[in-house]
Amino acid sequence: SSELTQDPAVSVALGQTVRITCQGDSLRSYYASWYQQKPGQAPVLVIYGKNNRPSGIPDRFSGSSSGNTASLTITGSQAEDAADYYCNSRDSSGNHWVFGGGTKLTVL
Amino acid sequence: EVQLVESGGGLVQPGGSLRLSCAASGFTFINYWMSWVRQAPGKGLEWVANINQVGSEEYYVDSVKGRFTISRDNAKNSLWLQMNSLRGEDTAVYYCARDRILGATTFQDYWGQGTLVTVSS
Repeated sequence: SSELTQDPAVSVALGQTVRITCQGDSLRSYYASWYQQKPGQAPVLVIYGKNNRPSGIPDRFSGSSSGNTASLTITGSQAEDAADYYCNSRDSSGNHWVFGGGTKLTVL
Repeated sequence: EVQLVESGGGLVQPGGSLRLSCAASGFTFINYWMSWVRQAPGKGLEWVANINQVGSEEYYVDSVKGRFTISRDNAKNSLWLQMNSLRGEDTAVYYCARDRILGATTFQDYWGQGTLVTVSS
């Protein structure tokens, strides 16, 4: 399969921890990367590889992977973390990219 | 500072053509694969096409194969997407993005701000 599956919506209380998951067969071969997108803005890379953060991304963002499932964890969620989050990876052929459907995170 | 700036979007009739451009700066353009990614209004991200460093390999999502062509000019630090036979479902914001392919670690580390393509009569 070349699809990545995400829950459409997740909510978290301010200051609490939330995990957003991404499932797909290609994740057995490739690490997922994670992108944050706020309304009207371009996506921003927040996690890549085994668990790497680009410069400027807070350390409350972390990534993990097991089998066909990748996870993005936000520890101590802040109001500014409310956004859509997308996972992506190469597909099983290794030639195409595939994105998950996105998860809308609400911070209560 | 890495910058990707898209242009060329606009309103086009079904069946029409449009050519998108992406001007890259702040990095050695010839060293990277590049992608186009689109986002229909209110929908998620969809990878459209990518091209290798020297333009000898191109890949497309099935829905645009045969209609869209990705190309690049490394001397001009430019990426293009020629879109023909446009359909309503091609209406989207189109982003160019820099690909990083490092074995099992793959991601797009920089994105442009996007250009809106609207296909409508």
